[in-house]
This record gives sequence, structure tokens and C-alpha cells, in this order.
Amino acid sequence: AQTVTQSQPEMSVQEAETVTLSCTYDTSENNYYLFWYKQPPSRQMILVIRQEAYKQQNATENRFSVNFQKAAKSFSLKISDSQLGDTAMYFCAFMKGSGGGADGLTFGKGTHLIIQP
Amino acid sequence: NAGVTQTPKFRILKIGQSMTLQCTQDMNHNYMYWYRQDPGMGLKLIYYSVGAGITDKGEVPNGYNVSRSTTEDFPLRLELAAPSQTSVYFCASSYPPGLASGNEQFFGPGTRLTVL
Repeated sequence: AQTVTQSQPEMSVQEAETVTLSCTYDTSENNYYLFWYKQPPSRQMILVIRQEAYKQQNATENRFSVNFQKAAKSFSLKISDSQLGDTAMYFCAFMKGSGGGADGLTFGKGTHLIIQP
Repeated sequence: NAGVTQTPKFRILKIGQSMTLQCTQDMNHNYMYWYRQDPGMGLKLIYYSVGAGITDKGEVPNGYNVSRSTTEDFPLRLELAAPSQTSVYFCASSYPPGLASGNEQFFGPGTRLTVL
């Protein structure tokens, strides 16, 4: 079974600062996918960024980027130029590549990110 | 294109009652999922389906049942509700992994269920 660990229950930064959220995972799989989801107070789950384990290049999406260290089983999320709208819960998630992904996502417990004005 | 819709948004049940949470998607996704999110926790998989007529258990299936008679609908049935089932329930759907969508799961807005 896979496990996902997010060691920072809550983080707070000033607007426009850069913040990094940590995530580690444990798996015996070689083929898998990693995701960061954002959950604002509206409760909607929103995909922020994804990474295929077979790709060495770190994924980027505008102000969001990841540092994927496969050997260390680490998958951190960096948010640059943070904005008030980034305030939310952030979940790291894992999906097996084998088995067709049918067994869904395994989530960490989340990090509550607060952007201060 | 409404995406994934869930009804109801909120519900209060008494212990021992039953109910069905509805989930519908209009993206023609084969894969559908039910998760629950307890306070301060990430989501946990209850059941999933890879297509009409095919369902299987996830990590926390006890106390729940599902069916998948069409591609669009994936209802979750709670039998004999218990306080431990108080949670927020999310339905999600996706294409099979490996397609251009990159395995993204699309989530519904959730149903907040309280069992008293």
C-alpha cells in the first residue's frame, strides 16, 4: 500500500512571498503519478499540478512548480508570488500507474496555507 | 458541460436511516470514484468503478454500497447510517490512465452528511 505524508499542518506567509509545501511518499511501484490538489473554503477540489514519475523534468504551471526527487520519494510544491486567492488546503496525492489507476488517489492529510495581506 | 454533479449538498440523517448520494458526470468518463473526507484529513477511497456494471472496493467500503448501471451515474448507498459516517463525500471521474488527460480526476462539489 502507498502512503503520503505532509508534515506541515499549517503554513502562513505574506502576500507576494514564495512558499514551499512538503510531501513525501512511500511506494514500491516504479510507475506512478503525483498530484497537488487545492481545496479552498468552497470545498471544491482543484488540480494544481501533476507529475509523471517517468519524467525527470519537474512540472510547472505558471506560479506553481514542483521539486520531484524520485530517489528520495519527495514531491514538494513551490508557489511563487503568492496571492490571497492561494489561501486553501493543499493536498498531495499519489496514483499507481499499473492497474489502470482504478484504485484511485491516495491523499496526504493536507497543509493549510494562509496568505497574509 | 456541467462536469461532475452531486446531490444533495447537505443532509442530516438519524442513526439507522438509509440514503443514496447521487453522482452524475457528463464527460463520458469510464472511471468513477467515491471518496470521503473526515475533518482534518485527506480523502479516502470508498468505492470505484471502471465502467458500467463494474465496481470494486476501495480503502474504506464498510457500510456503503454502489452500483453503476450507466456511464454517467454512480450512486453511493448508505445502509443503517452510523455517526462514524459523518463526513464530506466526494464523487470524481476520469478517463483511463495513459490518455492525454494525464490521469486528472474531476471532482464534484461534495455532500456534507451528518449522522445524529
